[in-house]
Amino acid sequence: DAGVIQSPRHEVTEMGQEVTLRCKPISGHDYLFWYRQTMMRGLELLIYFNNNVPIDDSGMPEDRFSAKMPNASFSTLKIQPSEPRDSAVYFCASNPEGMGEKLFFGSGTQLSVL
Amino acid sequence: SQQGEEDPQALSIQEGENATMNCSYKTSINNLQWYRQNSGRGLVHLILIRSNEREKHSGRLRVTLDTSKKSSSLLITASRAADTASYFCAHTSGTYKYIFGTGTRLKVLA
Repeated sequence: DAGVIQSPRHEVTEMGQEVTLRCKPISGHDYLFWYRQTMMRGLELLIYFNNNVPIDDSGMPEDRFSAKMPNASFSTLKIQPSEPRDSAVYFCASNPEGMGEKLFFGSGTQLSVL
Repeated sequence: SQQGEEDPQALSIQEGENATMNCSYKTSINNLQWYRQNSGRGLVHLILIRSNEREKHSGRLRVTLDTSKKSSSLLITASRAADTASYFCAHTSGTYKYIFGTGTRLKVLA
């Protein structure tokens, strides 16, 4: 298996633009997580899905952020409009059903909003 | 915040020495995990210890868990330059929300 695949690896955009980050989890993994990593706040859980259904989005910072999982093999995290404070590394992770079992992370998307 | 705390924040040692990192958390846990993150990469799972376990080994890694003190430690023995990375603890407590610590940046000098 290729692991969790994220795209793009790097994204540079201007303030006010829409940004879409993509994730393909490992086949057969029922849970998908989106994390944001910054120096100031560390790793923050934004949202997670179970069987394509959003379960907890309490970590989504504000209405500018939205996430979808239209099928078991694809998820998107969208920021509209983007702001400089959104600059961070965004990670997608997945794991098979099993509370507390290990997470498999993608390589992340480095987002820079100018 | 439920975020775990790790110390030290940074650690620099010579190749061949042992490295010890500590993690504290605030709630009861199901299990505790340790991850490694190389620069510019995603996190990689290293080891998982369950709440009813006190110690676990995996190769050069040794993890201890003290639930009474809400703390865990990760020991890397005979460190190598390739062990240079950031190390994070993570725990869950009754939900699927994994809470990560602040991380320890380890530098192993050749």
